[in-house]
Amino acid sequence: QQQVKQSPQSLIVQKGGISIINCAYENTAFDYFPWYQQFPGKGPALLIAIRPDVSEKKEGRFTISFNKSAKQFSLHIMDSQPGDSATYFCAASMNTGFQKLVFGTGTRLLVSP
Amino acid sequence: GAVVSQHPSRVICKSGTSVKIECRSLDFQATTMFWYRQFPKKSLMLMATSNEGSKATYEQGVEKDKFLINHASLTLSTLTVTSAHPEDSSFYICSARVARLNYGYTFGSGTRLTVV
Repeated sequence: QQQVKQSPQSLIVQKGGISIINCAYENTAFDYFPWYQQFPGKGPALLIAIRPDVSEKKEGRFTISFNKSAKQFSLHIMDSQPGDSATYFCAASMNTGFQKLVFGTGTRLLVSP
Repeated sequence: GAVVSQHPSRVICKSGTSVKIECRSLDFQATTMFWYRQFPKKSLMLMATSNEGSKATYEQGVEKDKFLINHASLTLSTLTVTSAHPEDSSFYICSARVARLNYGYTFGSGTRLTVV
């Protein structure tokens, strides 16, 4: 119940295309769903996050779509650029207990020039 | 933004020695910090949750005597890898939950530990 399943494991997108990464969760107590970008040898950096009271959030080229009934959320990267090539992690947490983040397995994105 | 400063970024140590990794919250107070371990091309695995002024809470399977965590102040948490062995070589990352980020999480830059 603590798992967050993420797909695909890897993704190749042409420059200018749309990158889509999907995550699914089981625990309905989760109430915070962030996406992180990680470059090799660096810590994760928060890209965008959503709470379950909204179905979509957009920040620049990054959009989170959230489907509460399906317990799924996804990251869309519009106009993907080579500089977006990185590993992306979805995560989830709840606002009780130690509030620890549960991470997805990660998606390695390569944007080809 | 809220910054967590993690040091050192890289460390090489000999088997049997101990290594200390520090994480400092620079512009906010962190009552709770999280310590993760990450293997190459893998996700982050939570090791423990450190709470200021009290004992850390370790995840199942994490040896608390090997990975000593101290959270002595609201701005400093440390992870000490004791009697390090090559299998402890990994990327260690700390994180804190930040009120002014709408309770989002900020991460340190990570420490690459290599035990030889």
